[in-house]
Amino acid sequence: QKEVEQNSGPLSVPEGAIASLNCTYSDRGSQSFFWYRQYSGKSPELIMFIYSNGDKEDGRFTAQLNKASQYVSLLIRDSQPSDSATYLCAVGNNAGNMLTFGGGTRLMVKP
Amino acid sequence: DTGVSQDPRHKITKRGQNVTFRCDPISEHNRLYWYRQTLGQGPEFLTYFQNEAQLEKSRLLSDRFSAERPKGSFSTLEIQRTEQGDSAMYLCASSLAFRGAGGSDEQFFGPGTRLTVL
Repeated sequence: QKEVEQNSGPLSVPEGAIASLNCTYSDRGSQSFFWYRQYSGKSPELIMFIYSNGDKEDGRFTAQLNKASQYVSLLIRDSQPSDSATYLCAVGNNAGNMLTFGGGTRLMVKP
Repeated sequence: DTGVSQDPRHKITKRGQNVTFRCDPISEHNRLYWYRQTLGQGPEFLTYFQNEAQLEKSRLLSDRFSAERPKGSFSTLEIQRTEQGDSAMYLCASSLAFRGAGGSDEQFFGPGTRLTVL
């Protein structure tokens, strides 16, 4: 059983809409959660991290964490074509020495 | 402020050859990680260093793989007797440990080394 699950997509949204990306994880003791953006052929780029239950906002991005449901999400407001990429959810272990990644969700923002 | 750098960016080799990759982390970062990513998948953890000590190795890291970080700065990943299944993007990441127990630090990735084994 994969420890971090994401819908592979593609998720298609029109320009200006809100894109909602979801991730579930299996280790109930996990405490650190990360969202990376990866353009085709490039390496992952950290865009958000969240450690506490609730919402965390940074510009057009909002990360949401619900530890009881073992669920983390990323909202992208006012989506732009340049947001088209694969979004990777990563969960840190308690020892702080590794991240477990989901398979990623491919987002397509159509002009 | 330079980011994580990796060299080479691309490597094509024949099956059975040895290859070595280098990673230079962000200068003040004391933690360094290696991951492997294949097409359509998320990165998979291979190994982790805190300063010069290799503290964690994945079961994915067979005996043909060895990693070093001799002076706690740059790191090398060597693959001996390469196989076609080793073809992947090899990613290096670094972080500055500050959270201590109970969580992971933000890891920043280098551009990766794409390995093709013919």
